[in-house]
Amino acid sequence: DTAVSQTPKYLVTQMGNDKSIKCEQNLGHDTMYWYKQDSKKFLKIMFSYNNKELIINETVPNRFSPKSPDKAHLNLHINSLELGDSAVYFCASSQDMWRANTGELFFGEGSRLTVL
Amino acid sequence: EDQVTQSPEALRLQEGESSSLNCSYTVSGLRGLFWYRQDPGKGPEFLFTLYSAGEEKEKERLKATLTKKESFLHITAPKPEDSATYLCAVQASDRDDKIIFGKGTRLHILP
Repeated sequence: DTAVSQTPKYLVTQMGNDKSIKCEQNLGHDTMYWYKQDSKKFLKIMFSYNNKELIINETVPNRFSPKSPDKAHLNLHINSLELGDSAVYFCASSQDMWRANTGELFFGEGSRLTVL
Repeated sequence: EDQVTQSPEALRLQEGESSSLNCSYTVSGLRGLFWYRQDPGKGPEFLFTLYSAGEEKEKERLKATLTKKESFLHITAPKPEDSATYLCAVQASDRDDKIIFGKGTRLHILP
């Protein structure tokens, strides 16, 4: 039973399109995250939500909009896709924000986005 | 600015050849330092958390240590299944508690 699951695993699309990635966790965690891993394998935080409330919003273009309908789900919608958006996007969860200092994030398997 | 630097970028070892990976960090105040393992096509998998200088953690052939400026991941007598990218991350004691990752060290163990 997958703890953090993301769909789709692969996404190939044209520049200018809009796409969404969905994430669900069944661990009962309060906090969820989106990370971006670029071609150089650098993993960078984009957003975090704690109990559906936005906590961290890094310097990410407005074209990226996260949505958390409940604490088990955190979706990422991207408008007007650009070539530079090509990357692997990872969803993660932790028990809660303040315990995130245990460092134990549970990651999904990633969604590889390719923009042509 | 908070920063995490890992070295080397890549490391090839023979099976049984012990070595160490380095993670140096610059943060305003360290809340925790973390090691993760990432296999190709997978998400990172948590290994250890270290909180203060002098602390050590062990798991099978891996041992992580921490000083005030850096952490080492020691790999003793590695096996091919230890091949992976090892990521170091830190959590700074600023108000949003975000966890910052280094670029990782790609470790390849040759049989």
